[in-house]
Amino acid sequence: KNEVEQSPQNLTAQEGEFITINCSYSVGISALHWLQQHPGGGIVSLFMLSSGKKKHGRLIATINIQEKHSSLHITASHPRDSAVYICAALYRGGAQKLVFGQGTRLTINP
Amino acid sequence: DTGVSQNPRHKITKRGQNVTFRCDPISEHNRLYWYRQTLGQGPEFLTYFQNEAQLEKSRLLSDRFSAERPKGSFSTLEIQRTEQGDSAMYLCASSLVGTGVAFFGQGTRLTVV
Repeated sequence: KNEVEQSPQNLTAQEGEFITINCSYSVGISALHWLQQHPGGGIVSLFMLSSGKKKHGRLIATINIQEKHSSLHITASHPRDSAVYICAALYRGGAQKLVFGQGTRLTINP
Repeated sequence: DTGVSQNPRHKITKRGQNVTFRCDPISEHNRLYWYRQTLGQGPEFLTYFQNEAQLEKSRLLSDRFSAERPKGSFSTLEIQRTEQGDSAMYLCASSLVGTGVAFFGQGTRLTVV
């Protein structure tokens, strides 16, 4: 069973809408990543956070350690935001390997 | 440009053939990870190196798979006797120990026909 769950798996919205993608993880972590993957396959790191909230442009990421839950928000969404968004948990331990959610495919229509 | 380079970007091979992928990490990064991503799924951990030592291998890594990082710099991932189930995106990431921040390459998309 995947230890990181994302919802929704697919999301279609109109340009300008406020977008929320959710991520929950099952055990304690040291940090959580939000990643963006475009059709070509390359992955870009958007945020790494271990508490609170981070903002970059129109993107906001929050994490609630007690509830083991994180959200990624996109304000004033734009068609260029269309991509797969993946949350990945960095678990404590020597390897520091990431455990990924299954991704949320976001499509923003003009 | 994240600084992690993977080659080739795409590889189509016939079932039963051997393939080798290469990953060049960010030069000062001492950790290198290989992940595999199948269609519609998030990436899954395969193996990782700290410098030249391979410290962990996933159960996903059958004995047909071998990875090396001979001088603690670039890494290769070889798949012998490829099967159609090996078709996936193979992602490489590098990081500095203790930072938790991983930088990903563009991936190598393997199609086994």
